[in-house]
Amino acid sequence: AQSVTQLGSHVSVSEGALVLLRCNYSSSVPPYLFWYVQYPNQGLQLLLKYTSAATLVKGINGFEAEFKKSETSFHLTKPSAHMSDAAEYFCAVRNSSGSARQLTFGSGTQLTVLP
Amino acid sequence: DGGITQSPKYLFRKEGQNVTLSCEQNLNHDAMYWYRQDPGQGLRLIYYSQIVNDFQKGDIAEGYSVSREKKESFPLTVTSAQKNPTAFYLCASSIRGTSFEQYFGPGTRLTVT
Repeated sequence: AQSVTQLGSHVSVSEGALVLLRCNYSSSVPPYLFWYVQYPNQGLQLLLKYTSAATLVKGINGFEAEFKKSETSFHLTKPSAHMSDAAEYFCAVRNSSGSARQLTFGSGTQLTVLP
Repeated sequence: DGGITQSPKYLFRKEGQNVTLSCEQNLNHDAMYWYRQDPGQGLRLIYYSQIVNDFQKGDIAEGYSVSREKKESFPLTVTSAQKNPTAFYLCASSIRGTSFEQYFGPGTRLTVT
């Protein structure tokens, strides 16, 4: 079965500092991995996805994530935090082939950006 | 513009009443999903549907019902049997098959008192 663990339910960074949100996965099939962002009272928006091509994936809003198979990780980073990055971030992994459920989501990380 | 619409944005109901949440998509996606979101608990899958007239229970289907009579529509009914219905409800859709990524609607916040 597939699973996702997001370390740290809350992360605080200062404006201009590095953002690092951690995601580790477990998958019995070659993983497809996703990061979503959710602003208050809104739906989820896809930030980026890994689908077995380049291991360093660039997404929207200056975010990127690196797939590390040996560490079963897909951490999300941004070199310089902006106040507008304050949101909740979800990591997700695809379910096994043929599964109609498609994705398993982590429990989310709330990012706070301090002025 | 293609996308997913959920209505209403905010919904208030009295305990014991059934309520139906709307979800419509014009993305021509085959698959549609309903999730429930509570603070600190991430997304929990309620129901999902891969094709018209077919749907499956997710992890927390008790107290909920759905229908999928049209490809574009996947309404969710929160019945009086749902013990704790106050939550944020998200609808999503995806292309059936290899894409996997899901597109989300703006959500409906349901408050039951």
